[in-house]
Amino acid sequence: AQSVTQPDIHITVSEGASLELRCNYSYGATPYLFWYVQSPGQGLQLLLKYFSGDTLVQGIKGFEAEFKRSQSSFNLRKPSVHWSDAAEYFCAVGASNDMRFGAGTRLTVKP
Amino acid sequence: ETGVTQTPRHLVMGMTNKKSLKCEQHLGHNAMYWYKQSAKKPLELMFVYNFKEQTENNSVPSRFSPECPNSSHLFLHLHTLQPEDSALYLCASGVWGNEQFFGPGTRLTVL
Repeated sequence: AQSVTQPDIHITVSEGASLELRCNYSYGATPYLFWYVQSPGQGLQLLLKYFSGDTLVQGIKGFEAEFKRSQSSFNLRKPSVHWSDAAEYFCAVGASNDMRFGAGTRLTVKP
Repeated sequence: ETGVTQTPRHLVMGMTNKKSLKCEQHLGHNAMYWYKQSAKKPLELMFVYNFKEQTENNSVPSRFSPECPNSSHLFLHLHTLQPEDSALYLCASGVWGNEQFFGPGTRLTVL
């Protein structure tokens, strides 16, 4: 069965510092992978996706993620965090009627 | 703005009430989804529609009844809910096999 694990429930970083959010997945085939962001009281916004090809994908708002098949990981990174990045981040695997989401990582940004 | 709208944004209802949630998208997508987001839990996929046909019902209680009259509209009819049904209900749409685009959600409180 497919599943997604986000090991970090809550992360705090200083503004301007680098960020890495971890995501591990279990999937029977080549996965479709996604990162979404959710601000308080809002729906989920797609940051980036991986379907195939280059394993380093660029997304919106300066985010990138790297697919590592050998580690079953799809970690999200940003070189310099801005206060507006404070939100909840969700990793997801699959597509259509078989999408699974991780439990989310809440990001707090310190001034 | 993702192009997926949901109404109402907030809903408070008693356990004996009947209400409906509405979702609308004008992105030309052929798939629509209902998710439940509860505190401290991963997103739960409730229902999936592809070209107006329901393709997934993840063991959702019958007090939740979906309706998809066309590819642009999706409803969730609610009746005799329980307090544990209080949550954020998210609608999403997408092209089958690709990423999903989420609405802002309806915050439901059952008294």
